[in-house]
Amino acid sequence: SYELTQPPSVSVSPGQTARITCSGDALPKKYAHWYQQKSGQAPVLVIYEDSKRPSGIPERFSGSSSGTMATLTISGAQVEDEADYYCYSTDSSGNPSFGGGTKLTVL
Amino acid sequence: QLQLQESGPGLVKPSETLSLTCTVSGGSISSSSYYWGWIRQPPGKGLEWIGSIYYSGSTYYNPSLKSRVTISVETSKNQFSLKVSSVTAADTAVYYCARQSSSAESEYFDYWGQGTLVTVSS
Repeated sequence: SYELTQPPSVSVSPGQTARITCSGDALPKKYAHWYQQKSGQAPVLVIYEDSKRPSGIPERFSGSSSGTMATLTISGAQVEDEADYYCYSTDSSGNPSFGGGTKLTVL
Repeated sequence: QLQLQESGPGLVKPSETLSLTCTVSGGSISSSSYYWGWIRQPPGKGLEWIGSIYYSGSTYYNPSLKSRVTISVETSKNQFSLKVSSVTAADTAVYYCARQSSSAESEYFDYWGQGTLVTVSS
């Protein structure tokens, strides 16, 4: 199956910038999307099509993609941003795949 | 506001078939721009896409699960369903249903149900 690779954990202090990466061979041709999942809750879409932000998502969340790597950036991370983050994309055949997830700690 | 709600047994015996239904409200399952999908998450682990269906009945499945999974749709009830056969403890997970925004260039899950825990145990 298609592998999207994320770091297991990222830690920042409140107000700092958090960057979470996602690497995959098909990313040069496929969009990356990002989900936030807080403990005990369903995932929430925070970035779609590499860099677009859904309605209601704070402006501190942004995304970019270059080559085989996509990046989710949280500028001025807040304590409430502490969560698991998953990237999502499709392989060359169109089969969906999630990254392994990154636990963001803000303290 | 679109809402999705999973329903079904929370406990399934090994070797039996897991069956779940997702009821969609606040919108039509027959919308042309969307697929409808199932995703699962074992306790303490990451997300795994199971499969997706279009309102016409067209499906595609995760190759690793394809031999055991069937997804169907009932447009008159605004529902779609999941069956996983021959379950083992490894199928214990929170199961989510979700709307999949789909175009030629892009697809992603934009609305999710709250999830339902299914435990496989005798």
